Amino acid sequence: DIEMTQSPSTLSASIGDRVTITCRASQSISRWLAWYQQKPGKAPKLLMYKASSLESGVPSRFSGSGSGTEFTLTISSLNPDDFATYYCQQYNTSPWTFGQGTKVEIK
Amino acid sequence: QVRLQESGPGLVKSSGTLSLTCAVSGDPISSRNWWSWVRQSPGKGLEWIGEIFYSGATNYNPSLKSRVTISVDRSKNQFSLELTSVTAADTAMYYCAIPHSDYDYYYDYWGQGTLVTVSS
Repeated sequence: DIEMTQSPSTLSASIGDRVTITCRASQSISRWLAWYQQKPGKAPKLLMYKASSLESGVPSRFSGSGSGTEFTLTISSLNPDDFATYYCQQYNTSPWTFGQGTKVEIK
Repeated sequence: QVRLQESGPGLVKSSGTLSLTCAVSGDPISSRNWWSWVRQSPGKGLEWIGEIFYSGATNYNPSLKSRVTISVDRSKNQFSLELTSVTAADTAMYYCAIPHSDYDYYYDYWGQGTLVTVSS
């Protein structure tokens, strides 16, 4: 299985901050990576796919980059609605696997 | 716009069988080719369980393969999950989900999830 490792596990930030989350794959996954946002009691919500493609309706303050084994999700200016847990998922090779999550907290 | 709704017992006895159904609405189930189950537990995070193709072909997570069966009932617009010989480690929120396409296995449609607790 391809192991996905996110860092940090928890991130404390303030409104307006630029935030970057990293996701590393245990082997190359090309650009077959998605990012999700999850709020308490809710299902994950798709933010990005193919590493850097923004899902329709997702604010442009979200961006993704990377290829191979290292990827980042950046929020350019943290909005109150962005406090949540973020997950990466690789879909290069079955079984599809997720990172352990990064919780973005209010500083 | 596809909508998914999980249903099933919230409590299952250890060594028993977990059975869940995902009702698909908004679009005919035949409009999609793949249907999946994903679970989330505090200890293991998000875990892909498996998926079924419209033809009936299945693809399961090797870690669960010996215990999992996913099936589809097109006449009822629903698909189902069975997990046998459950233990406390199977306690989780279970989501049904639909991947974007036959080639892009990220999930743009999710059910709201149903919590299943395995009791001793």
